Amino acid sequence: AQSVAQPEDQVNVAEGNPLTVKCTYSVSGNPYLFWYVQYPNRGLQFLLKYITGDNLVKGSYGFEAEFNKSQTSFHLKKPSALVSDSALYFCAVRDIWDAGNMLTFGGGTRLMVKP
Amino acid sequence: NAGVTQTPKFQVLKTGQSMTLQCAQDMNHEYMSWYRQDPGMGLRLIHYSVGAGITDQGEVPNGYNVSRSTTEDFPLRLLSAAPSQTSVYFCASSYSTGGRELFFGEGSRLTVL
Repeated sequence: AQSVAQPEDQVNVAEGNPLTVKCTYSVSGNPYLFWYVQYPNRGLQFLLKYITGDNLVKGSYGFEAEFNKSQTSFHLKKPSALVSDSALYFCAVRDIWDAGNMLTFGGGTRLMVKP
Repeated sequence: NAGVTQTPKFQVLKTGQSMTLQCAQDMNHEYMSWYRQDPGMGLRLIHYSVGAGITDQGEVPNGYNVSRSTTEDFPLRLLSAAPSQTSVYFCASSYSTGGRELFFGEGSRLTVL
């Protein structure tokens, strides 16, 4: 079975400071990894994904994430946080060999960026 | 393109009532799915479909039914609503499986009294 852990329910950061939202995963085979963002009363929006290749993935709104196979992690990062980055962030994983194509989500991390 | 459209946005039901949540996408996506979102539990997959005429169960399928008669539509039916089905429901679609990202609808908030 595949799973995702987001160990922090909430991350607080001051505007202009770097931010990190943590994600670890577990799959039987190799992973496809995703980050999504959810603003209040909205659906989830895709930020970035890791499929193969370079371990550092760049996505929308200046976000990036680093795939670390040995630590089974895919932490989301941004060099300089904005107040408008405040939202709920979800990490998700899919096993590339999963015939059922199930995408498993973590519990979400609320990011609060204070002015 | 409208993307993924869900209706209704809000619904209140009484225990035992039935209803259908509608989902339509205009991107010609093969893959469609339904998730429920509950506080602290992330999103959990209810049912999914890899193409017209093909559906399968996800992580939490009990109490829900789906069909996929066309590529565009993927309705979710609650057969006999229970308070445990109070949740926010999201429909999502993608071009195919594997490494493709999902496109989500705006959600349907359901309350079962």
